[in-house]
Amino acid sequence: GQNIDQPTEMTATEGAIVQINCTYQTSGFNGLFWYQQHAGEAPTFLSYNVLDGLEEKGRFSSFLSRSKGYSYLLLKELQMKDSASYLCAVMDSNYQLIWGAGTKLIIKP
Amino acid sequence: GAVVSQHPSWVICKSGTSVKIECRSLDFQATTMFWYRQFPKQSLMLMATSNEGSKATYEQGVEKDKFLINHASLTLSTLTVTSAHPEDSSFYICSARSESHQETQYFGPGTRLLVL
Repeated sequence: GQNIDQPTEMTATEGAIVQINCTYQTSGFNGLFWYQQHAGEAPTFLSYNVLDGLEEKGRFSSFLSRSKGYSYLLLKELQMKDSASYLCAVMDSNYQLIWGAGTKLIIKP
Repeated sequence: GAVVSQHPSWVICKSGTSVKIECRSLDFQATTMFWYRQFPKQSLMLMATSNEGSKATYEQGVEKDKFLINHASLTLSTLTVTSAHPEDSSFYICSARSESHQETQYFGPGTRLLVL
């Protein structure tokens, strides 16, 4: 079956760095996505990885290892507004998104 | 980036009534649209995939006669929750993608449905 695993909840301190991991097993692979979702809002796109390696975009970076079925989202210089759920999703061979349950990130001052 | 709108953003209705939610792609042709449902503190659950001009494909456990999906044009898909009940109260989100960029889904802002 298809499966996406990520931690349920993480806590970090304002100004610090946090890494949210995601492991996956899917039928086919057409890329891995990270989305941010604030409570009561729709997800917003953060990153897309289809090749191995690190993609950096400002304070956020995303890493992918296809051989290990593994990705992480790295958030630097955390701000209070970064408190949200972070969703890992993999696009399978049918271009369908398979979603993880999301990681709720709590930022403390 | 591409824009997807949803209407209404909020709806409150009585049990037994039907509710229609619209999803529009504003600046691109969406050959495929997806309808998701999200209950509190849970992840997105795909309900159905609709391709323009054809019948929607429903995920296991989703009643197609209860959740009617119409994708009559390349910019509009509608989800109608028929005979809504309190357990249908949820956050409904649509997303859209074009044929030329199948790796990218653009999400609408979501519609919060409360059935009394």
